[in-house]
Amino acid sequence: AQTVTQSQPEMSVQEAETVTLSCTYDTSENNYYLFWYKQPPSRQMILVIRQEAYKQQNATENRFSVNFQKAAKSFSLKISDSQLGDTAMYFCAFSYNTDKLIFGTGTRLQVFP
Amino acid sequence: DVKVTQSSRYLVKRTGEKVFLECVQDMDHENMFWYRQDPGLGLRLIYFSYDVKMKEKGDIPEGYSVSREKKERFSLILESASTNQTSMYLCASSFPGGRQFFGPGTRLTVL
Repeated sequence: AQTVTQSQPEMSVQEAETVTLSCTYDTSENNYYLFWYKQPPSRQMILVIRQEAYKQQNATENRFSVNFQKAAKSFSLKISDSQLGDTAMYFCAFSYNTDKLIFGTGTRLQVFP
Repeated sequence: DVKVTQSSRYLVKRTGEKVFLECVQDMDHENMFWYRQDPGLGLRLIYFSYDVKMKEKGDIPEGYSVSREKKERFSLILESASTNQTSMYLCASSFPGGRQFFGPGTRLTVL
């Protein structure tokens, strides 16, 4: 069975600094997708970034980038130049061969001024 | 912009009541999902529908049923609500192989 683990329930960072959120997963599949979703307080969940396992290049979206280590089954999210609007719950998620997502337990990120 | 709406943001029901949670999407997505979100547990899939009248059980279907009579609408039904079903319920939709778009969530309290 596939599992997704986020070992940091809460993190904090000062505005303009860089923070890295950790995610590990377990699977025997070779082709799959990994995602980071953001859920701001009282607002809708949105996709931050997506990585295809067959791509060696790490995905980036503006200030958000991932460090995808396939052999280690690790998929961390780096947020550069943190902004107050980055305050949210962040969920790591996995899918393979279907459209169903398996989510981690989430990391609550607080950005301080 | 893709829009996924849910019928209520907050709902309070009594134990034993039948509860309907409605989700509507406006992007002609084939897939629709119902998740439950609990602190420390993340999101867990309750049911998934990949077409009208088609459904598939997720990881925690017990105590829930679903209905999809029209492509844009996916309903979650609690036949007899219990206190352990107090939770945040999130609906999502997607094209096959595409990103999921989420609704704002319904916070359900069962007294």
